[in-house]
This record gives sequence, C-alpha cells and structure tokens, in this order.
Amino acid sequence: DAEITQSPRHKITETGRQVTLACHQTWNHNNMFWYRQDLGHGLRLIHYSYGVQDTNKGEVSDGYSVSRSNTEDLPLTLESAASSQTSVYFCASSESIAGVWGEQYFGPGTRLTVT
Amino acid sequence: QKEVEQNSGPLSVPEGAIASLNCTYSDRGSQSFFWYRQYSGKSPELIMSIYSNGDKEDGRFTAQLNKASQYVSLLIRDSQPSDSATYLCAVGYTGNQFYFGTGTSLTVIP
Repeated sequence: DAEITQSPRHKITETGRQVTLACHQTWNHNNMFWYRQDLGHGLRLIHYSYGVQDTNKGEVSDGYSVSRSNTEDLPLTLESAASSQTSVYFCASSESIAGVWGEQYFGPGTRLTVT
Repeated sequence: QKEVEQNSGPLSVPEGAIASLNCTYSDRGSQSFFWYRQYSGKSPELIMSIYSNGDKEDGRFTAQLNKASQYVSLLIRDSQPSDSATYLCAVGYTGNQFYFGTGTSLTVIP
C-alpha cells in the first residue's frame, strides 16, 4: 500500500543547531507539503512543492527550507533551530488534476523539541 | 475573513445522536472540499471528500456541499465515543492554494 513516512518521529535538539526532518511518500504524488501544528493555531503551511525542483514558501516559512530532488522526498531543514520552532511537524502529499485538488494524505508527524 | 472558518467548539453530543459540523469558505471558485478527523497526538485522517453540490454519504458520515452559500458540512449519525476527535475542514482553492480550518473539537458523551 502507498504511504507517507516521516523520520525521526521524535527529536530533541539544541538552539542554534541545524535539523533536517525527512518525508518520503510512495503515492507518486506531485504535490508535497510541510505543516506545523501548535495548540491554538491549527495547521500552518511552511513550504510546499508542486514537483521536482519546485519549492514555494508558505505562511510560516522563516527559518525553514526545503528542496525537491525527486518525486518521493521533501526534506525540511531548520537552518538554526529556535525554541519557537518547537512543534509537531506534518508532511503531506496530494495529486491535482486539471487544477482540481485531490485529497491530501498525511504522514505520522515529527515531534520536535528545541531546548 | 479567514479562507476557511469553522466553529472551534467544543461540540458535545450524547452517544447515538447526530453531530453536525460546519465550515464556510471565501473562494467561490473552489472545487474540492475535504473533512479530516484528528485524534489527539495523531495525524489528520481523511474522512470524506466532496466535489459537487449536494450530499455524499459514506457509512455514518454525510458531507453536504452548497457552493452558492459557500458552505460545507459533515453529519455524523449514531455518534459513538470513538468519534470524539477534532474535525478539520479543508478546501482546495483556485490558484493552487489549499487551506485548512482550525478544527472543531467533538466530544461524544456515553
């Protein structure tokens, strides 16, 4: 069965360190997304990609970067981790046909703590 | 106005009752609409997708879409304690944008 996986599932890091969260999907979807979810804020879009070599900033992109070198993977990098980036991070993927969005499927999430 | 608005709740219903969750959106050109369920500490799970005006039923769940009123709802019949979760509405906007509401917390009381 197709799936979307994230690693690590839990991560504790120190302020100022660079951290990379992995996301891998076997749906063969063109579109991939990174969200963070904090209490009281719902899902907030960090970065998204519509295909290989395409990346776009979401509403909370400061301090984060992504790259898309193949269809399956969209790693999220925190350049210099800050305590404000302590959150739960979700990766998602979807297809869109003729401009109509299909369902987004989510990975299990990564709980990141920055101390 | 937010792109997708939901009542945050919490919404409480007795076991066996119908739970009604509502969502409004601001882009008249939107063509795809989704409901997700999220248990505490878990990732969002797709429940229903709807693309055309009217009702779509899947088991105990019914999604209702009214594009003229820019309104989409989710009805859960015969609510069970296992339905207690946060329900997220999502809308695929025109211009390659996809938006989630902040979710409605539902508690089903045994």
